[in-house]
Amino acid sequence: AQKITQTQPGMFVQEKEAVTLDCTYDTSDPSYGLFWYKQPSSGEMIFLIYQGSYDQQNATEGRYSLNFQKARKSANLVISASQLGDSAMYFCAMRVNNAGNMLTFGGGTRLMVKP
Amino acid sequence: DVKVTQSSRYLVKRTGEKVFLECVQDMDHENMFWYRQDPGLGLRLIYFSYDVKMKEKGDIPEGYSVSREKKERFSLILESASTNQTSMYLCASSLYRNEAFFGQGTRLTVV
Repeated sequence: AQKITQTQPGMFVQEKEAVTLDCTYDTSDPSYGLFWYKQPSSGEMIFLIYQGSYDQQNATEGRYSLNFQKARKSANLVISASQLGDSAMYFCAMRVNNAGNMLTFGGGTRLMVKP
Repeated sequence: DVKVTQSSRYLVKRTGEKVFLECVQDMDHENMFWYRQDPGLGLRLIYFSYDVKMKEKGDIPEGYSVSREKKERFSLILESASTNQTSMYLCASSLYRNEAFFGQGTRLTVV
């Protein structure tokens, strides 16, 4: 069975500082994808970044980067230069490619950016 | 522009009622998903579908069923609503293994 774990229910970060949101996953399948989503208080789910299990380099998208450590089964999200608008829930998700494209989410981390 | 539309933003139903939550996507995606979101539990997968008339159970299928008669529409059915099914329900769709796009959510209250 696939499992995603986010161990930080809530985090604070000072505006303009960097922050790392943790995500560990568990699967025995060698082919999978990892995703991060942001959910602001408005409730919409916003896709941020994707990492494939065979990708050689860590994914980056603007201020977002994914610290992918395959041997440790971790896929932490790094947000650089935090902004007040980054305050939101953040979800890590995994798709196992041999499981019918099933997409499983973690419990989420609430990030609060302090001015 | 990508669009996933859920039929209702808010619903209030009585215990024992049969409830239909509808989701429509206009992107010709083959994969569609239903999740429920509860505080502290994240998004839990109820059912998903990878093709018309195909469905797979997620992590919490008990008390729910689904229907996918057309590619663009994925319905979640609560056969006999119970108070513990009060939750936010999110529908999503994706093209093959790409990122999923979400609807705006339906907040269901069962009284």
